[in-house]
Amino acid sequence: EVQLVESGGGLVKPGGSLRLSCAASGFTFSSYSMNWVRQAPGKGLEWVSSISGSSNYIYYADSVKGRFTISRDNAKNSLYLQMSSLRAEDTAVYYCAREANIVDFDYWGQGTLVTVSS
Amino acid sequence: SYELTQPLSVSVALGQTARITCGGNKIGGKNVHWYQQKPGQAPVLVIYRDSNRPSGIPERFSGSNSGNTATLTISRAQAGDEADYYCQLWGSSTVVFGGGTKLTVL
Repeated sequence: EVQLVESGGGLVKPGGSLRLSCAASGFTFSSYSMNWVRQAPGKGLEWVSSISGSSNYIYYADSVKGRFTISRDNAKNSLYLQMSSLRAEDTAVYYCAREANIVDFDYWGQGTLVTVSS
Repeated sequence: SYELTQPLSVSVALGQTARITCGGNKIGGKNVHWYQQKPGQAPVLVIYRDSNRPSGIPERFSGSNSGNTATLTISRAQAGDEADYYCQLWGSSTVVFGGGTKLTVL
C-alpha cells in the first residue's frame, strides 16, 4: 500500500525557516517524481515544487522560487522541502504528492500545517 | 502564465447529472486531471488524462476535453459526491490548478 506521511510543520515567525519531510512507502520511491502542493486556509490548491526521481529536474512556483528548496533522499525514501524567508502568505497545509506518468498526482499525504505568524 | 477557470459552485439534484467545467486557452491540446477534495481530507484523483478513471473511482465519474473547455461529469449524483473539485494540468514547466468548484448535492 502506497503511503505518504508528511512531518515538520508548525508555527514559525515571519522571516524564519522550516524543513518539511515526507516519508514514502509501498512503492519504488526513486522511480517517481514527487511534488509539494499547498493549500492556504479556506483556499484552493497551489502547486509548490516538483523533483524528478533522480533529482535531475526540479521546478518551482514563482511564489516560492529563491526561498524554498526541494530535495529527496532515495536511500531513505524521503522527500524534503526547505523553506526560508517565510511570509504570512506561506501559511498553508503542505501536501506531498506522487506524480504519475503525465503529471497527475495519484497519491497524496494527509498534509502538515505550516503557520507563519508573529 | 497559463490560467484555468472553474465556476465557484455547482448545484445538482440528488440522482441527476452534474457538470463542472474548466476553461483554458486551447486546453483541448493538454492533458487535464481532476481531483475531489472533501473537508479535512487530502485530494483524490478522480480523472486523469482527460477521461480516464483510476481504479476504485466509480463509473459515474467521467471527463472530456475539447477546444477551450474540459468537463468533469458526475452522473447519478450522490450525497457523498459533495466536495470541492479541482482541474489541473502541466504547462510550461509549471503545474496549474483551477480555482476549484464546490459541488452541492441538493
